Amino acid sequence: GAVVSQHPSRVICKSGTSVKIECRSLDFQATTMFWYRQFPKQSLMLMATSNEGSKATYEQGVEKDKFLINHASLTLSTLTVTSAHPEDSSFYICSATPFVAEETQYFGPGTRLLVL
Amino acid sequence: GENVEQHPSTLSVQEGDSAVIKCTYSDSASNYFPWYKQELGKGPQLIIDIRSNVGEKKDQRIAVTLNKTAKHFSLHITETQPEDSAVYFCAGVISSGSARQLTFGSGTQLTVLP
Repeated sequence: GAVVSQHPSRVICKSGTSVKIECRSLDFQATTMFWYRQFPKQSLMLMATSNEGSKATYEQGVEKDKFLINHASLTLSTLTVTSAHPEDSSFYICSATPFVAEETQYFGPGTRLLVL
Repeated sequence: GENVEQHPSTLSVQEGDSAVIKCTYSDSASNYFPWYKQELGKGPQLIIDIRSNVGEKKDQRIAVTLNKTAKHFSLHITETQPEDSAVYFCAGVISSGSARQLTFGSGTQLTVLP
């Protein structure tokens, strides 16, 4: 149980285009989903916290107009990187928290984004 | 806010030996401490967690200990195997109201030598 999926697993795009990443909790409903960014050999950096039906809460320094988050249902959250640039290239990982264990975060497999 | 420090940053052990990774936290309100294993190119996988009302928890070859007074917790892996090689992250969580954000340590690259 507690499986989180992400799609796509890898994406290459041209500078200036937008990329959407999906995060799904497959076998549980998630009260909250989180989006992280991870650079090589570094820890995970929280970008935003997403609750179903409400606006996401962004961490300091994360541009909400750049990284659009939509949490349309209890099992799906999306992150759209708008007008992507090479510096947005990174590993993006989502996590989800079940109703019954609200401290526990289960992570997706990550999405590798490369902006050319 | 919470600050979690993790040591060592790299650790090499011989297969069959034990590995210990230590973390300290700053906020005494932290009450949940998960450990994650991350293999190259993959997302973190929860391997064990402990809540502040417990001092030790075991799951087969993995154990976690918590010292609330000293504000530190440790991951212990016994009888290490090559497939244990990965980056391990500790984290702390303050469970109050709706705020349950993880504060991660900097990670430990564990290498188990065959």
